[in-house]
Amino acid sequence: AQTVTQSQPEMSVQEAETVTLSCTYDTSESDYYLFWYKQPPSRQMILVIRQEAYKQQNATENRFSVNFQKAAKSFSLKISDSQLGDAAMYFCAYRSPTGNQFYFGTGTSLTVIP
Amino acid sequence: GAVVSQHPSRVICKSGTSVKIECRSLDFQATTMFWYRQFPKQSLMLMATSNEGSKATYEQGVEKDKFLINHASLTLSTLTVTSAHPEDSSFYICSARNVRDGSRLFFGEGSRLTVL
Repeated sequence: AQTVTQSQPEMSVQEAETVTLSCTYDTSESDYYLFWYKQPPSRQMILVIRQEAYKQQNATENRFSVNFQKAAKSFSLKISDSQLGDAAMYFCAYRSPTGNQFYFGTGTSLTVIP
Repeated sequence: GAVVSQHPSRVICKSGTSVKIECRSLDFQATTMFWYRQFPKQSLMLMATSNEGSKATYEQGVEKDKFLINHASLTLSTLTVTSAHPEDSSFYICSARNVRDGSRLFFGEGSRLTVL
């Protein structure tokens, strides 16, 4: 089974600064999807950004961007110009194109310091 | 955007009673829905995959007789916790895949179950 590892249980960043959250995964597949989800205190999971493995270009969504290193099986999330509303748990997730299941990492709790 | 609604958001029940949680996809059809359980400060643990019109597929270690899942339509899946005990207290989250864009998951708001 695929595994997703987030090695940073907690991170903090000063407001307006940049922070990078790490994620590595293990798979033998060549094509798959990677996601970053945000879970704020309200608890509803929100999709932040998505990356298809066959695309070499790193996905970007406004202040959120990823550094996708396929050979290293690394998928980090960079948050630029951090805002107080970015404070949440962030989960990295993997999904194969053929399977139903999403595999989630253990999450990183991000604190934004005013 | 796609919306998944989960109800109730909070429920408190007595030990031994059964509780039903609903998960609805409001503006899209979902042939597949997923039920997760989340413990405090932990990741989501997949409990089962719910397929419309067929029996749910349970993950190893999840009691199918305790966590009954029904997916009667393309927009509704229900999770019933039967004969609930305090150890069943948890945060339950459902998610749904859009039949038109299966690569994405849309999550419900979650349901906090407390069993007294």
